[in-house]
Amino acid sequence: DQQVKQNSPSLSVQEGRISILNCDYTNSMFDYFLWYKKYPAEGPTFLISISSIKDKNEDGRFTVFLNKSAKHLSLHIVPSQPGDSAVYFCAASVEGAQKLVFGQGTRLTINP
Amino acid sequence: EAGVAQSPRYKIIEKRQSVAFWCNPISGHATLYWYQQILGQGPKLLIQFQNNGVVDDSQLPKDRFSAERLKGVDSTLKIQPAKLEDSAVYLCASSLAPQSYEQYFGPGTRLTVT
Repeated sequence: DQQVKQNSPSLSVQEGRISILNCDYTNSMFDYFLWYKKYPAEGPTFLISISSIKDKNEDGRFTVFLNKSAKHLSLHIVPSQPGDSAVYFCAASVEGAQKLVFGQGTRLTINP
Repeated sequence: EAGVAQSPRYKIIEKRQSVAFWCNPISGHATLYWYQQILGQGPKLLIQFQNNGVVDDSQLPKDRFSAERLKGVDSTLKIQPAKLEDSAVYLCASSLAPQSYEQYFGPGTRLTVT
């Protein structure tokens, strides 16, 4: 039972343009969502998060949007840079559990 | 601040052999996690420790996997005997829970079972 889904295994974007990565979830008890970035041969690193009481959180070039009614969140990267090329994981948690459920990941490639 | 340390980085064993992985979390982080990441999938939680007590091991295959966290700091994850389907990257993470949802990951150990 895949509770967190990232339906796009890969995404290719031109440098300077916007990258949009999508994530869907099925468990309505999830109330905190995170995005992680992973380079080859390294562990995932935390990028940005959002609580279910918000619908948007911004940090520099990165913005996460949450649509609770659709059980959908997205990560926007503007402008995209070559260093953004990595695998991005969406993760979700139930309040108080600290346990993260991860999606399958989306490989983002930024083309010069 | 030193990150999460893991060793070894790579391990190749034959099926039915045993293997152990070591993790040293970030200093002061009470919560430690072990994840299994199979190629093409996201990390899957195997076990979660709060200090040296187990919080969640519902997805740990207990017939072959074991983990311990002595003195609430370092942790080891063992597989005995290994199967071909155990080939994966084993990630250790730690967090300042319960204050934070953010988890900090080590580089992982890539296990290949032949």
